[in-house]
Amino acid sequence: GAVVSQHPSWVICKSGTSVKIECRSLDFQATTMFWYRQFPKQSLMLMATSNEGSKATYEQGVEKDKFLINHASLTLSTLTVTSAHPEDSSFYICSAQDRNLHEQYFGPGTRLTVT
Amino acid sequence: RKEVEQDPGPFNVPEGATVAFNCTYSNSASQSFFWYRQDCRKEPKLLMSVYSSGNEDGRFTAQLNRASQYISLLIRDSKLSDSATYLCVVKTSYDKVIFGPGTSLSVIP
Repeated sequence: GAVVSQHPSWVICKSGTSVKIECRSLDFQATTMFWYRQFPKQSLMLMATSNEGSKATYEQGVEKDKFLINHASLTLSTLTVTSAHPEDSSFYICSAQDRNLHEQYFGPGTRLTVT
Repeated sequence: RKEVEQDPGPFNVPEGATVAFNCTYSNSASQSFFWYRQDCRKEPKLLMSVYSSGNEDGRFTAQLNRASQYISLLIRDSKLSDSATYLCVVKTSYDKVIFGPGTSLSVIP
């Protein structure tokens, strides 16, 4: 099956710093990538939809200046959490949609802890 | 009202039991429906798509009722390895994917 990787798998950073998370589709081209956030014992919440070569579409309540998304190629999207705060600590998961099959494949997630 | 709602759970069942999960969605224009399972601290994995005619994959049966905007998942002969959170997922006509809150299942020896 299709493989999506995320890097890093976990990261601890200090409050006020920025963290970049990469999402890559390894064996298929993804015109659309999605970024989700999941707090403990809660479901995935869609943060934004990222289309290759265009600006991301953010869900209501998600600050676009805080969560910077770049989708520069058909295999890579990045999420940068700027000026991170402890409340940003969460499990961030990306998914990539195969441009031909329209199926979504999830990355393994990145666990962010802000101290 | 939430866009996708599920049984709150948790479900604690003995091995071999049959368990059913229910899900309702609010957007009548929703196009595609799925069940995912998520193990603790892992990403969701696609379990099966759900079709109007109903579909079965081994011990798992999924059903969709568009008129009632209702989706179900039936697991027969539960195994310990079935313990996970089951997520009902709905995709809209704009390819927006909405996850339900999930229902936790624990299969007990």
